[in-house]
Parts: sequence; C-alpha cells; structure tokens
Amino acid sequence: DIQMTQSPSSLSASVGDRVTFTCRASQSISSFLNWYQQKPGKAPKLLIYAASSLQSGVPPRFSGSGSGTDFTLTISSLQPGDFATYYCQQSYSSTYTFGQGTKLEI
Amino acid sequence: EVQLVESGGGLVQPGGSLRLSCVASGFTFSNYAMSWVRQAPGKGLEWVSTISGSGGSTYYADSVKGRFTFSRDSSRNTLFLQINSLRAEDTAIYFCARDAVVSFGENTFDIWGQGTMVTVSS
Repeated sequence: DIQMTQSPSSLSASVGDRVTFTCRASQSISSFLNWYQQKPGKAPKLLIYAASSLQSGVPPRFSGSGSGTDFTLTISSLQPGDFATYYCQQSYSSTYTFGQGTKLEI
Repeated sequence: EVQLVESGGGLVQPGGSLRLSCVASGFTFSNYAMSWVRQAPGKGLEWVSTISGSGGSTYYADSVKGRFTFSRDSSRNTLFLQINSLRAEDTAIYFCARDAVVSFGENTFDIWGQGTMVTVSS
C-alpha cells in the first residue's frame, strides 16, 4: 500500500497567518492527491483535488501544489473558521490511503 | 440537493454483525463509484472500501478484507456495507462518500454523508 505522511502533526497559528502543510507519498502518485478539511463532529470537506485544483465553493486563500511524492497545502491568510484538521489522500492506487492529519490550532 | 444519508450503526458485541446503509439523492447514482471511510474515536480517516458505479468491482482495505462486503442497489439508490466478525478496533464513525472522477482521471471524495457510529463492545 502507498503510505501518506503528513507534517507537522499539529500546528499553532494566528488569524491572518500564512500556513503550509506538507504531505509525502511513499511512491510517486503523479497528481492523484486530494486535501480535506474536517472540523470536530463533522464530515470531511473536499478542499483541493488533483493536487492543485480548488473545489467549487472553497475560498481562494486555499491552494495546493506538488506532484510525484511531495505535496503542499497553503492557506494564505488564516480565518477563524480555518482552525480544523487537514488530511491528504491519494487516489493513485485503487486502495486509497489518507495521511494521519495535521491539526491546525490557535 | 446532493445528499448521502447513512444509517444502521449501533452497539454490537465482538464477533457480531451489522449492516450499514447509505441512501443517495440528487445525482445519477449509477454514474458514480462510492466509498466507505471510517474514523475511530479521536483518530484519523481510514479508507475502508470502494464499489464501482455498476457494482461489478469492489476494493477493500486489508484491515477489513474477508469480513466486510460492499454492495449497491441502483433501484433504491442505496449502498450497503455488511460487516461481520466485528472487532473492538472496528469501532468508528462510518462515512459514505461519493467517489468522483475529475480532471485527468483522478478520483476524489466530493460528497460525504454525516456518518453512522458503530461501537463494538461487550
């Protein structure tokens, strides 16, 4: 199975900050990489698909980049509602895998 | 409105069985593969299984292979996850998700249900 490793596991930031999350795959997955946001008690929400495409309705302060094994999710200016846990997920293999998540805290 | 609604969760003893359901609405059900993703209490997301739009192909995580069976009924726009030989480590919220093909053939979970809780305990 393809292993997905996210770093850091948690991150403290403030409103207005620019933050970057990293996700690394154990083998090349081209651009088959998605990012999700999850708030406590809620289902995950798709933010970025195919490594860099913004899902409809998601604010443009979210952006994704990367290909192959190394990927990043960037929030350009943190808003109060952005404090959540973020997961990457590969869809290169028919057996999908998620990263362990990065918790973004105030 | 595009919507997924799960049901069927509950408390079950180790070794027991349960059948989860997920009813889809607001889109052409047979055009999409569908998946189950679970989340143990306080833990991250774990992909469980995917079924093709036709129902002809299924894929399972190693942790559930041989114990879980994923099926779909297009006449009722409903997914079923039959879970047998339940273990304590199967305790989790089970989400169903629409598996959409985007861009250059990549797959993504673009619609999620609210989840149903399965608790395995004696």
